[in-house]
Amino acid sequence: LAKTTQPISMDSYEGQEVNITCSHNNIATNDYITWYQQFPSQGPRFIIQGYKTKVTNEVASLFIPADRKSSTLSLPRVSLSDTAVYYCLVVLSGTYKYIFGTGTRLKVLA
Amino acid sequence: DAGVTQSPTHLIKTRGQQVTLRCSPKSGHDTVSWYQQALGQGPQFIFQYYEEEERQRGNFPDRFSGHQFPNYSSELNVNALLLGDSALYLCASSLGIGLGTGELFFGEGSRLTVL
Repeated sequence: LAKTTQPISMDSYEGQEVNITCSHNNIATNDYITWYQQFPSQGPRFIIQGYKTKVTNEVASLFIPADRKSSTLSLPRVSLSDTAVYYCLVVLSGTYKYIFGTGTRLKVLA
Repeated sequence: DAGVTQSPTHLIKTRGQQVTLRCSPKSGHDTVSWYQQALGQGPQFIFQYYEEEERQRGNFPDRFSGHQFPNYSSELNVNALLLGDSALYLCASSLGIGLGTGELFFGEGSRLTVL
């Protein structure tokens, strides 16, 4: 079963780029990698999803190396409102079980 | 377009009691999954329903059961409540179990406190 680990917390300043890495050492060949943002007392919100290489949308980029044992969420020019917990999620293809990472608490400072 | 709605938002039960939580998926979605999120922890997958059947299940005991109705809404039932069942219970909906993607739409959750 895939296990995902992330740094517990990170601090950044407004306007900086933030990179959060998730390790998923035994990810299966067809597993998708998805990232979510969660504010206190709210449900997680989808940010971005990828399978391999690089994916970019209007809010973030996702980098997945060739071995797919890790993935990096990149948030460009963070603002105070980006202070939240960020989770990576691995979807186990075939079984479609959802495995969330341990979560990274990002604090953006003024 | 209504998103995922859950009820109740908060509830308090005592040990040994039973609880039912409800979820209405986002319009157009046919798959519902449930998660338990303890304070300070990540969501833990409980199970997923598609076509009114439980399709996948995480590492949760049989005290946790569910149901999906023809209109795709879902219920989570927990019997014989334990103190450790206190958590935020999240419902997520998605389209098409066969897609296998992780794009889930979450509700705001039901906060269960067991005394």
